Amino acid sequence: GDSVTQMEGPVTLSEEAFLTINCTYTATGYPSLFWYVQYPGEGLQLLLKATKADDKGSNKGFEATYRKETTSFHLEKGSVQVSDSAVYFCALNRGSTLGRLYFGRGTQLTVWP
Amino acid sequence: DTGVSQDPRHKITKRGQNVTFRCDPISEHNRLYWYRQTLGQGPEFLTYFQNEAQLEKSRLLSDRFSAERPKGSFSTLEIQRTEQGDSAMYLCASSLAQSGDTIYFGEGSWLTVV
Repeated sequence: GDSVTQMEGPVTLSEEAFLTINCTYTATGYPSLFWYVQYPGEGLQLLLKATKADDKGSNKGFEATYRKETTSFHLEKGSVQVSDSAVYFCALNRGSTLGRLYFGRGTQLTVWP
Repeated sequence: DTGVSQDPRHKITKRGQNVTFRCDPISEHNRLYWYRQTLGQGPEFLTYFQNEAQLEKSRLLSDRFSAERPKGSFSTLEIQRTEQGDSAMYLCASSLAQSGDTIYFGEGSWLTVV
């Protein structure tokens, strides 16, 4: 079945460090891929998405590239800030006719000043 | 656009009691979803509606759980005879069917069963 595997956390970085959070997926067909972010006590916010192979999603300095050959969608940011501290979830959706998102377990990121 | 709204944000209940959560989706969105999230885990799909029709239900949705969306606008999720294992955050989300890939979440309703 469809699934998402995320890098285990927690991840702790100093401000301005480079961030990578790994995400790989298993799915039939051609899923759309997403990164969501969850701040403490809040719901999930869509961070970025990519709907086909080789697409790059980007938002707020974060980027992720849909790599079909490696079934990956790794999240990167060149210089993290304290305000980026949150839990990051990778997710997939197998097309607009299907309602469900499959999520990874989440990766807790803490950034120290 | 006021976003997806959920009520109540927090609920503490005794085991065996019934609880109901309400979700108001983004006004023009015709798809509505319910997810459950426990500590340290990603959200798990429960069910979704397109307009008033419930199109898919997860096997996680036991007989004690029922969801409705009677007029295709707001939705309710009721849990009967709550158990301690029901303690979780219940997330509602909505989307447009035409751009079904982008799903917007509410802030969630925390349930604690004591």
